[in-house]
Amino acid sequence: GAGVSQSPSNKVTEKGKDVELRCDPISGHTALYWYRQRLGQGLEFLIYFQGNSAPDKSGLPSDRFSAERTGESVSTLTIQRTQQEDSAVYLCASSLQGSETQYFGPGTRLLVL
Amino acid sequence: GESVGLHLPTLSVQEGDNSIINCAYSNSASDYFIWYKQESGKGPQFIIDIRSNMDKRQGQRVTVLLNKTVKHLSLQIAATQPGDSAVYFCAENMDSSYKLIFGSGTRLLVRP
Repeated sequence: GAGVSQSPSNKVTEKGKDVELRCDPISGHTALYWYRQRLGQGLEFLIYFQGNSAPDKSGLPSDRFSAERTGESVSTLTIQRTQQEDSAVYLCASSLQGSETQYFGPGTRLLVL
Repeated sequence: GESVGLHLPTLSVQEGDNSIINCAYSNSASDYFIWYKQESGKGPQFIIDIRSNMDKRQGQRVTVLLNKTVKHLSLQIAATQPGDSAVYFCAENMDSSYKLIFGSGTRLLVRP
């Protein structure tokens, strides 16, 4: 596809359940980012992947959050034992190696009841 | 540091007028800046960028101005259209790192 894609577009879950969010970056983009956006707020950096380098996990808010990436393609963000405060839009972005310009997907809207 | 806004400031303009959206960035060492547009229910969309060795850059109907002295960035939209209604975010990047720091956003409402 032409852009970053994310799935599901919406997810409603019960408190305590685990959720898995998926991101497909733009083909050829080696860098991949996850952000969280709470209602009416800006974007919070969560994690960054670049090629085979160790990911920068400095933005993950707790050990309930984890992310993986398969090579230079798909990434999954997993939230274990979800809490109501995890409700937000989770955005994925990708960029070419060496470029600061990030291109975003449409996001996954997560609602924890 | 990172800024997180609790309430989005809103700019309301008449269709056809010019819009100016302002952003105060946080780090004097930042050397790259981007403006994103986010429509309701969508991810942020790249609009225009500028490096710190420039003070002005123009795109199609948009101009970004950078004042490093006061750490201020602005986005000017000419002949604002209803389709410009969205939340606009500025983002800064330091030392060509990968980590963008986003501002809290400004909501632009275009009155027909």
